[in-house]
Amino acid sequence: SQQGEEDPQALSIQEGENATMNCSYKTSINNLQWYRQNSGRGLVHLILIRSNEREKHSGRLRVTLDTSKKSSSLLITASRAADTASYFCATDAKGGNQFYFGTGTSLTVIP
Amino acid sequence: DAGITQSPRHKVTETGTPVTLRCHQTENHRYMYWYRQDPGHGLRLIHYSYGVKDTDKGEVSDGYSVSRSKTEDFLLTLESATSSQTSVYFCAIRKTGLVNDTQYFGPGTRLTVL
Repeated sequence: SQQGEEDPQALSIQEGENATMNCSYKTSINNLQWYRQNSGRGLVHLILIRSNEREKHSGRLRVTLDTSKKSSSLLITASRAADTASYFCATDAKGGNQFYFGTGTSLTVIP
Repeated sequence: DAGITQSPRHKVTETGTPVTLRCHQTENHRYMYWYRQDPGHGLRLIHYSYGVKDTDKGEVSDGYSVSRSKTEDFLLTLESATSSQTSVYFCAIRKTGLVNDTQYFGPGTRLTVL
C-alpha cells in the first residue's frame, strides 16, 4: 500500500499560532495534495504540489515537498478557530488513476 | 461541491442484505471514485471509474461491486453486507487539467450493518 501517514495524529494550538503537519509516503508520485475535512463533512481540496515543485503557497497555507525523503509538510499560519478540522495528504501513483490518502492530522485551534 | 450528491445519506441494514449506494454528478466528469473512511485508516479506495462501463478495483474492493451505466451515476453495491462494512462512504469526482488534478467529494453516506 502506498498509503501515506500524517504526523502528528492530533495537534492542539492557540488561535494565532502556526500549525505544521507532516506527511510521508512510500512510492514515486506525480503530485501530492492536501485536503481538509470538517467533522461530519466530505473532504475539501486545499492545495496541490507537483513532484517537480519544492514549495507552494496559497493564502495562509504553505506546502513543501521533498521527493528525496518522500515527505511533505503543510503549514497554516496565523491559525483561526475555523481552521479546526482534520487534514489529509493524498498522493497519486505515477501513471495511475488511484489516489492514496493518509490517516490524517486532527487540528484543534483554541480561541 | 462540483454538484455531487449521494443517496441515501444514512442507512441501517442487517447482515446479509444487499445494499446499493448512489453517487450522482451534474458536471459530466470522466472519473468517479468510491472511498470508505474508518477511524485510524483515513480514506481507502474501493473502486473507481474512468468512463461509462469502465471500472477498476481499488485497495479494499473485496465484498463490493460497482456499476456505471451513464456518466452521471456511479453505484456501489454491497452484495451481502457484513458488520465490517459499517463505515462512512464517500464518492468523489476528479477534475483534471493542465494545472490542477483535484478530487471533489460528496457529503458521504453513513452505513451501519447490524
